[in-house]
Amino acid sequence: ELKVEQNPLFLSMQEGKNYTIYCNYSTTSDRLYWYRQDPGKSLESLFVLLSNGAVKQEGRLMASLDTKARLSTLHITAAVHDLSATYFCAGHDMRFGAGTRLTVKP
Amino acid sequence: DSGVTQTPKHLITATGQRVTLRCSPRSGDLSVYWYQQSLDQGLQFLIQYYNGEERAKGNILERFSAQQFPDLHSELNLSSLELGDSALYFCASSVEGHGANVLTFGAGSRLTVL
Repeated sequence: ELKVEQNPLFLSMQEGKNYTIYCNYSTTSDRLYWYRQDPGKSLESLFVLLSNGAVKQEGRLMASLDTKARLSTLHITAAVHDLSATYFCAGHDMRFGAGTRLTVKP
Repeated sequence: DSGVTQTPKHLITATGQRVTLRCSPRSGDLSVYWYQQSLDQGLQFLIQYYNGEERAKGNILERFSAQQFPDLHSELNLSSLELGDSALYFCASSVEGHGANVLTFGAGSRLTVL
């Protein structure tokens, strides 16, 4: 069973700042997923990373995958309030990390 | 609307009772996943079905059971309910097989056990 660890679990940041969320996983996984959950809502897919070195970007979010280090990162650039949500990563077996609750403050 | 339909949206029941949660996957998706989300436990994987067959099992209690029917809809049965079973239960579906295999989530069923 693939175990996924995210850090930090809670992140409070100011608008305009940059930060990175980390997702470490325990065994080989040929893919890594990032999802977003707004408070009281369901989960939505953000990115799927399918190979070592893969990088995906959407707006102020950029995700990358290093399969050798078993690490994926979600980088936030110039945060805005609308990015406040919980971000989850998951490996190929669809077991999710604990989530990172991001709050962006003005 | 994600295309994954879950019913009921809200359910309030008493300890010891039994409930059934229903999920209709997105058209064309063969795989259904069930998750439990409670405040202190995060998003816990319960079970996965693919085209009617159990594919993977996670942290599903013995009091819980699930099945996927020939029309691909799935039901999660929760029995002998306890206060700690109060949670949001999500269903997600995917095409499965080669490729990205992205999950599409339903809106969830919120279960309150009193």
